Amino acid sequence: SQQGEEDPQALSIQEGENATMNCSYKTSINNLQWYRQNSGRGLVHLILIRSNEREKHSGRLRVTLDTSKKSSSLLITASRAADTASYFCATDANAGGTSYGKLTFGQGTILTVHP
Amino acid sequence: DAGVIQSPRHEVTEMGQEVTLRCKPISGHDYLFWYRQTMMRGLELLIYFNNNVPIDDSGMPEDRFSAKMPNASFSTLKIQPSEPRDSAVYFCASSLRGAQDTQYFGPGTRLTVL
Repeated sequence: SQQGEEDPQALSIQEGENATMNCSYKTSINNLQWYRQNSGRGLVHLILIRSNEREKHSGRLRVTLDTSKKSSSLLITASRAADTASYFCATDANAGGTSYGKLTFGQGTILTVHP
Repeated sequence: DAGVIQSPRHEVTEMGQEVTLRCKPISGHDYLFWYRQTMMRGLELLIYFNNNVPIDDSGMPEDRFSAKMPNASFSTLKIQPSEPRDSAVYFCASSLRGAQDTQYFGPGTRLTVL
């Protein structure tokens, strides 16, 4: 199965509510990244969290990382209709501390924010 | 900087034809990645280059696919002969330090093989 798996597959909320997406992975990582993709567009980087970090913030985004559980979460606070997109986690896996040099992407969470 | 540039944006071709996708990475980025995205398989890494050298092509589906990077500012992904199952969106991305860094994606090429 995928190295990174997002949960839920789809999320529908009202504007102003918070949206939480989760990502689980299987192997040791150097970092975990979150990307956003609007329909028909390329992916846009949101935030990168390294394996020795537990939490990072960027504007309305909050990312947590629990390496003991091999999981991460992305929280979008006070969501807006413009946040409607697919969100992907991507992991930089390593073997014995050495990076494979590439990101492995999950299947993504489709977020719909209703005005 | 204009970001990662891909061409063409859309390509419709018939089975058996040769298809060439092009990518110009962000200037100064040492890493270039080719991905394929489909509904069934999600986003898959096909191949990546570091300093114009292919490092990992384990994701290239089969011999019909080939990729080159003749210089730091240009890469091609070629499919010959193309098949309907190759229909997908192909993305190029570049970064300064590979997987340790932000990857910047191009707008993608939507390929349809009839």
